[in-house]
Amino acid sequence: DTEVTQTPKHLVMGMTNKKSLKCEQHMGHRAMYWYKQKAKKPPELMFVYSYEKLSINESVPSRFSPECPNSSLLNLHLHALQPEDSALYLCASEPTVGFYEQYFGPGTRLTVT
Amino acid sequence: KNQVEQSPQSLIILEGKNCTLQCNYTVSPFSNLRWYKQDTGRGPVSLTIMTFSENTKSNGRYTATLDADTKQSSLHITASQLSDSASYICVVLRGYNKLIFGAGTRLAVHP
Repeated sequence: DTEVTQTPKHLVMGMTNKKSLKCEQHMGHRAMYWYKQKAKKPPELMFVYSYEKLSINESVPSRFSPECPNSSLLNLHLHALQPEDSALYLCASEPTVGFYEQYFGPGTRLTVT
Repeated sequence: KNQVEQSPQSLIILEGKNCTLQCNYTVSPFSNLRWYKQDTGRGPVSLTIMTFSENTKSNGRYTATLDADTKQSSLHITASQLSDSASYICVVLRGYNKLIFGAGTRLAVHP
């Protein structure tokens, strides 16, 4: 299984809502990533987890809260988002951080109203 | 400054034709260079990954080249198909954990 899955595919939420994005992989990868991608722009790194520990936080606002409950699962908890947070949120994984190929999920299209 | 620049920004070609996309980088320390294909609204899919010692790498109709001296890479697509319409993103791994993304080239293949 060389697949990274993300749910939901689409999410519409108000600025006062709390929601979560989910990412799952069963390739035994120990590095997992969250990226944010705006239209016609490249992905921007948000968070990196290595062996279930947060290793990189690219100065992301606290309204985004990542969680890695186990080696297969990565969540992104969302609270009090702004309309400018609307974007495609991509999850990726690789065997360990660094020299390997990252496998990306299909993304969650988030719209904040 | 660590940057990855791609050209052209967008490209239209006819089905069956070949094309070449360019990537110049000023990333240090350089670990590897990756080309990804991204369909609209989907996650990127890896095409090739090259270290500094590799000059050419092929994946089907896709051939990537790397010149580590001039810090340039190209992606050549042979006999284009309609399904090649996508964004092609050049990504350089800086050090052991920092990916630097280019802005991408949007390719449209017309019948």
